[in-house]
Amino acid sequence: AQTVTQSQPEMSVQEAETVTLSCTYDTSESDYYLFWYKQPPSRQMILVIRQEAYKQQNATENRFSVNFQKAAKSFSLKISDSQLGDAAMYFCAYRSARSRNNRKLIWGLGTSLAVNP
Amino acid sequence: SAVISQKPSRDICQRGTSLTIQCQVDSQVTMMFWYRQQPGQSLTLIATANQGSEATYESGFVIDKFPISRPNLTFSTLTVSNMSPEDSSIYLCSVSSRLTDTQYFGPGTRLTVL
Repeated sequence: AQTVTQSQPEMSVQEAETVTLSCTYDTSESDYYLFWYKQPPSRQMILVIRQEAYKQQNATENRFSVNFQKAAKSFSLKISDSQLGDAAMYFCAYRSARSRNNRKLIWGLGTSLAVNP
Repeated sequence: SAVISQKPSRDICQRGTSLTIQCQVDSQVTMMFWYRQQPGQSLTLIATANQGSEATYESGFVIDKFPISRPNLTFSTLTVSNMSPEDSSIYLCSVSSRLTDTQYFGPGTRLTVL
């Protein structure tokens, strides 16, 4: 069974600085998707970034980028130029690509990010 | 991405009662899901809401406790039945379509059971 591990329950960063959140996963599959979601205090779960395992190029969305290391099964999120609005819980998630009918996400426990002014 | 709404956004209920949560999406989607997020924890999938057929429940969740309806491709309801304080959680619906392998979430319903 697949698992997702986020080893940092809490992180903090100074405004305008860069922070990296770690995520590792365990799977025997070769084709899958990885996601980072953000959940601010409003509790809305917001997609931050998405990576297909067959793509070697790391996904990027504005100030958010990932370091996807398939062999190491690592999927870290880098937030550049951190802003106060980035303060939230960040969840890493995995989904198998094996079946289009099985879209179940496997979730990590989350990392709480604080941004200090 | 789809625009997803949930009603109610929050509620406080008495033990033994039931609450129905609605999830509405602004476009037709293939898959709709219901999650529970207990305080300080990650998300747990309750079930996949199937249009026109019974929902597919995850281990530990049963239809009698969490009946789900999905009458069409844009709407689903989750009922939390015979509530106890242990049911106090955030309940979220999410959707995905054949065009995307990504799940998008509604704003959530915060339920408190006294």
